[in-house]
Amino acid sequence: NAGVTQTPKFRVLKTGQSMTLLCAQDMNHEYMYWYRQDPGMGLRLIHYSVGEGTTAKGEVPDGYNVSRLKKQNFLLGLESAAPSQTSVYFCASRGQLEFNYGYTFGSGTRLTVV
Amino acid sequence: DAKTTQPPSMDCAEGRAANLPCNHSTISGNEYVYWYRQIHSQGPQYIIHGLKNNETNEMASLIITEDRKSSTLILPHATLRDTAVYYCIVRVAPSGQNFVFGPGTRLSVLP
Repeated sequence: NAGVTQTPKFRVLKTGQSMTLLCAQDMNHEYMYWYRQDPGMGLRLIHYSVGEGTTAKGEVPDGYNVSRLKKQNFLLGLESAAPSQTSVYFCASRGQLEFNYGYTFGSGTRLTVV
Repeated sequence: DAKTTQPPSMDCAEGRAANLPCNHSTISGNEYVYWYRQIHSQGPQYIIHGLKNNETNEMASLIITEDRKSSTLILPHATLRDTAVYYCIVRVAPSGQNFVFGPGTRLSVLP
């Protein structure tokens, strides 16, 4: 049982390049989330999904797109990367009964845009 | 969701109890108190949650005041591995909405 797996773990992009971050969970969770964390700050929600085929905007959605074509996967896309998107990105998931275990987070993707 | 206030940092001696406070004076009756922690460079980890009653699990205890306006997370015997940022979050649960992670409390467990 791997939990939440994020790929890649590290990436350096040039300004204007595009990339996709993959989040995969094997717990059959309904809800999935993408957060970013900048140095010394708390996590800020980018986008989230309450089920397969659904997505919604979070607190800081600009410059990002997401897709949830399969229940177990939640993709975060950067169409044209900017230095302001340099951050650590965390994916999380939870089931319907969040009382049991709360959210499960991945280990993060460190993205640097130069 | 109710706003929470936590001290930015705390120290605790190894082996002693760590008591982390959280104020949530605007909490409403159907909002729960959750605690998560984030060890350096890792994703946040769920610790415990509660509504009214005190709660205890293998990781920690949660003490909620009778008026529910504040709470304390207790790590009974802190170890160096408990050094982390601890987040207190108040929200209605279950809900499709996300957790709002503030700056939290940076706990340093000292040898």
